[in-house]
Amino acid sequence: GDSVTQMEGPVTLSEEAFLTINCTYTATGYPSLFWYVQYPGEGLQLLLKATKADDKGSNKGFEATYRKETTSFHLEKGSVQVSDSAVYFCALSTNNNAGNMLTFGGGTRLMVKP
Amino acid sequence: DAGVTQSPTHLIKTRGQQVTLRCSPISGHKSVSWYQQVLGQGPQFIFQYYEKEERGRGNFPDRFSARQFPNYSSELNVNALLLGDSALYLCASSSQGSSSYEQYFGPGTRLTVT
Repeated sequence: GDSVTQMEGPVTLSEEAFLTINCTYTATGYPSLFWYVQYPGEGLQLLLKATKADDKGSNKGFEATYRKETTSFHLEKGSVQVSDSAVYFCALSTNNNAGNMLTFGGGTRLMVKP
Repeated sequence: DAGVTQSPTHLIKTRGQQVTLRCSPISGHKSVSWYQQVLGQGPQFIFQYYEKEERGRGNFPDRFSARQFPNYSSELNVNALLLGDSALYLCASSSQGSSSYEQYFGPGTRLTVT
């Protein structure tokens, strides 16, 4: 079945540091890939997406490139802020007879210190 | 525009009881999905409904059921509650016609089973 693997956290960085959160996936077919962010006590917010190989999703300074050859979708940001502290989830979606369900990784907690 | 709304926000039940959680999708969205997020883990897919029909079901026991109403709102029911059902229950809506299968999440209902 489909699966998503993320690097375990927490990831602790100083403000303005470079961020990478690794994500790899296993899927049948051609999935769409997503990064969601969850702030404390809240639901999930879509951060960025990519729907086909070599697509780059970007939003709020975050980027991720859909790499089919390495089945990866790593999240990057050049300079993190304290306000980026949250849990980040990598997810994939394939549309089959069961509808477009999302399969999530376990999440990576990011802590940014001033 | 209003986002996905869920009620109640928090709920405390005892083992063996039954619970009903409610979700209203974004206006114009006809698809609703339910996810269970146990503390410290990624969300797990429970159900997807589209046009009042079940389109997908995750690996959950028959104690879990759901339905969608003509106005596209949805209810998730859980019978014979177990301690392990304690989790954040997330509802997501999507526009089925979207090729990227974006899902937009509500804030969730925090269920505690004692």
